[in-house]
Amino acid sequence: DAKTTQPPSMDCAEGRAANLPCNHSTISGNEYVYWYRQIHSQGPQYIIHGLKNNETNEMASLIITEDRKSSTLILPHATLRDTAVYYCIVRGSQGNLIFGKGTKLSVKP
Amino acid sequence: DAGITQSPRHKVTETGTPVTLRCHQTENHRYMYWYRQDPGHGLRLIHYSYGVKDTDKGEVSDGYSVSRSKTEDFLLTLESATSSQTSVYFCAISEGRGPESNQPQHFGDGTRLSIL
Repeated sequence: DAKTTQPPSMDCAEGRAANLPCNHSTISGNEYVYWYRQIHSQGPQYIIHGLKNNETNEMASLIITEDRKSSTLILPHATLRDTAVYYCIVRGSQGNLIFGKGTKLSVKP
Repeated sequence: DAGITQSPRHKVTETGTPVTLRCHQTENHRYMYWYRQDPGHGLRLIHYSYGVKDTDKGEVSDGYSVSRSKTEDFLLTLESATSSQTSVYFCAISEGRGPESNQPQHFGDGTRLSIL
């Protein structure tokens, strides 16, 4: 079972920031949080990952709470091409990524 | 994008036939993974490899075997395909020293396999 919980769907207006929440209350101290997205029928695309500090790259920002029980992925200026299913993931014991159902983000014009 | 090529991209075959899917990488990454994706289950790990000729089972390994004779190639074989193995199969790669590594995995575009 997935170690994370996400809302099933969210809407966002084009050009606005998309904030996708994730709960991971059972995460252990050395487990990273990874974010991926999957656009229809394509392979999952890596976005960003972090341990306890906030992270930013060219795609997104990741905000992790101080207690590490939750995080938020921020797409600063969402476009229609950001419409996808977004997965918040913690690794399993074999190093595999444990995918839950994710959040379906719909960016609307 | 990571240099990962999966072949074939689509395949339709009959129950009982052998099927081999190929994952080829140009990144020289040590770790390679095979996942399957089914509605309602997300992606599940089938097998993974931590080096040439070094492989291990994942969560849903029954009915599948793998081989890795070269760093760049990871093969997934269904010895006798069944309808329950109809799925989309994804290969992933990562660098790093082991499952404990924080290095992200990068995925190929998948193989859509239908067993009739």
